Amino acid sequence: AQTVTQSQPEMSVQEAETVTLSCTYDTSESDYYLFWYKQPPSRQMILVIRQEAYKQQNATENRFSVNFQKAAKSFSLKISDSQLGDAAMYFCAYRRSSNTGKLIFGQGTTLQVKP
Amino acid sequence: NAGVTQTPKFQVLKTGQSMTLQCAQDMNHNSMYWYRQDPGMGLRLIYYSASEGTTDKGEVPNGYNVSRLNKREFSLRLESAAPSQTSVYFCASWDRGWSEAFFGQGTRLTVV
Repeated sequence: AQTVTQSQPEMSVQEAETVTLSCTYDTSESDYYLFWYKQPPSRQMILVIRQEAYKQQNATENRFSVNFQKAAKSFSLKISDSQLGDAAMYFCAYRRSSNTGKLIFGQGTTLQVKP
Repeated sequence: NAGVTQTPKFQVLKTGQSMTLQCAQDMNHNSMYWYRQDPGMGLRLIYYSASEGTTDKGEVPNGYNVSRLNKREFSLRLESAAPSQTSVYFCASWDRGWSEAFFGQGTRLTVV
């Protein structure tokens, strides 16, 4: 069975600095999708960034980028120029590439941004 | 577009009471999902419906039932609520392939 692990329950970063959130996963599949979701206090689940496993190039969305290491089964999220609005819970998630939308989530990392 | 709408947003139940969480999506998605979120455990899949007329168990189905009423609506029922079902519940819908899943705003359920 696939599993996703986020080993950092809490992280903090100074405003305008860079922080990296870690995620590892386990799967025997060769093709799959990986996601980072943001959950602010409003509880809304917001997609931050996604990566398709067959693409070697790391995904980037503005200040958010990932470091995808397929062989190591690692998928970290880097947030550059951190802003107060980035404070939230962040979830790493895995989805098989087949016709299913079932997501497997990590435990979550709470990010605090200090002014 | 409203996206995925869940009702209610908050609910307090007494042990043994029953209730139904409602979910509706207006994106014409085939697949719908119910997750629960607990501290330190992320979101876990309770039940899902890959298409209208089908439902399947997820990782934590015990104590729950679901109904896919039509393509738009997917409800989650707790027949006899237990304190262990205190959680935040999310409904999600998904189309296919590369597309992202869309989530409702969540229901915070407390069972006392």
